[in-house]
Amino acid sequence: AQSVTQLGSHVSVSEGALVLLRCNYSSSVPPYLFWYVQYPNQGLQLLLKYTSAATLVKGINGFEAEFKKSETSFHLTKPSAHMSDAAEYFCAVSDMYSGGGADGLTFGKGTHLIIQP
Amino acid sequence: NAGVTQTPKFRVLKTGQSMTLLCAQDMNHEYMYWYRQDPGMGLRLIHYSVGEGTTAKGEVPDGYNVSRLKKQNFLLGLESAAPSQTSVYFCASKKQGLRRQSYNEQFFGPGTRLTVL
Repeated sequence: AQSVTQLGSHVSVSEGALVLLRCNYSSSVPPYLFWYVQYPNQGLQLLLKYTSAATLVKGINGFEAEFKKSETSFHLTKPSAHMSDAAEYFCAVSDMYSGGGADGLTFGKGTHLIIQP
Repeated sequence: NAGVTQTPKFRVLKTGQSMTLLCAQDMNHEYMYWYRQDPGMGLRLIHYSVGEGTTAKGEVPDGYNVSRLKKQNFLLGLESAAPSQTSVYFCASKKQGLRRQSYNEQFFGPGTRLTVL
């Protein structure tokens, strides 16, 4: 069984500061990893995904994430926070060999990012 | 393209009432999913479908039924609503591709906010 742990249900940073959202996964097989963002009262939007092609993945809105197999981590970063980054962020995992063909995502519980002016 | 749409956006039910949530996608995706989102719980998979006429249970299927009579539509039914089913429901779809591709992203609808009194 696979699982995702997001450290910190709330993270607060100042505008212009580094954003670091942590995600650790558990999977018995090589995983595919995703970061989604959810703005208030909206659905989820894909930020970036890891599919084994490259360990450093660049996404939209200046975000990037690095896959570290030895640490089973896929932390999300952005060098300089903007007020518009305030949202809920979800890390999700889907393993390469999901049984039943579902390929359903297993989500972390989410991290609410707060940007202080 | 409208992407993934959900109907209705909001609904209030009394305990014991029934209702159906409709999800429609115009991207010709094979896979469709229903998730529920609860505070501090992330998203959890209720049911999924890998093609027209096929459905299967996800992580939290109890109290729900689904049907996929047409490729573009995925219906989620509550036969006898309970307060524990108060949640935000998200539908998602994904392209299957020529081979199983877990790394294809899921596209999410805007959600349905359901309250059961």
